[in-house]
Amino acid sequence: SQTIHQWPATLVQPVGSPLSLECTVEGTSNPNLYWYRQAAGRGLQLLFYSVGIGQISSEVPQNLSASRPQDRQFILSSKKLLLSDSGFYLCAGQGENTEAFFGQGTRLTVV
Amino acid sequence: AQKITQTQPGMFVQEKEAVTLDCTYDTSDPSYGLFWYKQPSSGEMIFLIYQGSYDQQNATEGRYSLNFQKARKSANLVISASQLGDSAMYFCAMREGPYQLIWGAGTKLIIKP
Repeated sequence: SQTIHQWPATLVQPVGSPLSLECTVEGTSNPNLYWYRQAAGRGLQLLFYSVGIGQISSEVPQNLSASRPQDRQFILSSKKLLLSDSGFYLCAGQGENTEAFFGQGTRLTVV
Repeated sequence: AQKITQTQPGMFVQEKEAVTLDCTYDTSDPSYGLFWYKQPSSGEMIFLIYQGSYDQQNATEGRYSLNFQKARKSANLVISASQLGDSAMYFCAMREGPYQLIWGAGTKLIIKP
C-alpha cells in the first residue's frame, strides 16, 4: 500500500533559522507529490506540487521552497523562517487515478 | 470563485443519528473525481470515500456513502449511525486534471453522547 513518511512530527524553530522538512514515499512510483500548509481549524493551502524529479510548481509565492531530488523524496525548505511560517505542514502523494495519501504532518512553531 | 464549497463550518449531531455533510463543486471538466477525507485532532488525513464523475452508482464504504447528484454538482457525505469517534474535521476535495487537487474549507463535526 502507498504510504508517506514525514518527519519530524513537531518542530520549534527560532525566527531567522533555516527549515528542512522531508517526506519519502513507499508503495508507488512516479507519484504526484504535494506540500500543504494548514492553519488551525482551517482548510489545506497548497504550497508546492511536483509531477516528477526536479519538477516543482509553486502555488503561493512566499518564504519557502521545495525540491524533489529523487522520485520518492520531497523536501520543503526555508533559508530564514518567519513567524508567519508557523502551521501544520502536510506532505501528500497521489498516483494515477488513486486517492491522495498523506503523511502524519509536521507541526511547526516559529518563535 | 470557489470550486469546492462546504457550507457548514460546524455541526453538532447526537450519537447514533445519521449525518449529512454538504459539498458542492464547480468544474467544466467532464472527467473529475470527488473525495472525502476525515482529519481527527491528531492531524492525520484519512481517506474515506471516492466518487468518479462517470460512476453510475453512488459510492459506499461501510458507514460512509456519497450522495452524488451530478446535475446539481453536489457530493454530500452521509455517515450512518454516527459514533463518538466520528468527531473530526471533514474535507471534500476534487481532482480536476492529472494533478490538481482542490479542497473545501472543511466542516467540523462534533458527535454528542
